Amino acid sequence: DAGVIQSPRHEVTEMGQEVTLRCKPISGHNSLFWYRQTMMRGLELLIYFNNNVPIDDSGMPEDRFSAKMPNASFSTLKIQPSEPRDSAVYFCASTSLGGAPNQPQHFGDGTRLSIL
Amino acid sequence: AQTVTQSQPEMSVQEAETVTLSCTYDTSESDYYLFWYKQPPSRQMILVIRQEAYKQQNATENRFSVNFQKAAKSFSLKISDSQLGDAAMYFCAYALSNFGNEKLTFGTGTRLTIIP
Repeated sequence: DAGVIQSPRHEVTEMGQEVTLRCKPISGHNSLFWYRQTMMRGLELLIYFNNNVPIDDSGMPEDRFSAKMPNASFSTLKIQPSEPRDSAVYFCASTSLGGAPNQPQHFGDGTRLSIL
Repeated sequence: AQTVTQSQPEMSVQEAETVTLSCTYDTSESDYYLFWYKQPPSRQMILVIRQEAYKQQNATENRFSVNFQKAAKSFSLKISDSQLGDAAMYFCAYALSNFGNEKLTFGTGTRLTIIP
């Protein structure tokens, strides 16, 4: 079975540019999470969706960040305009609600984002 | 708010020996889940083991086992017969067991080095 698929794997862009990160969750999973990993702050939850609906976006750092989940098989995280401090590894994870309690989250391989 | 603390930024162990990684957490909830994730240099996030707070029995997965002390809010990971492939960052994580609120809170990680 395919796992969580993220693209691109690496992204290097200049400050001020728009960045779009993509995630395809595991088929049948209905909960999706976006995390950011930095050396300073570790792994932080940015936002998560249940059944395509954003549930908690309190971790989104500021208005430059936005996330969407137009359907059950696709989500995007967008940064506009990007800044050097946004450089990090961004992970997407998915799990299945409604099954056994608290199914573990399955993570993608992450997108390493570098803003110059 | 829930917090997870890993007080050992780095640990090392001789190959074939046993090592224990520490984790403490803070929560006012009685029902929750705890996890250990492994992140090798490939940067994948791999679930190693999980523990349900309502279960008194410590979880075990092959060479990996936990020592869960609910009253002390402690959740350590023991790796027996350490192998070179165990070298990675290890993250302790917490999640509530409320339906629809499965977001993970991570510790800052412990980097484990295996000495041949």
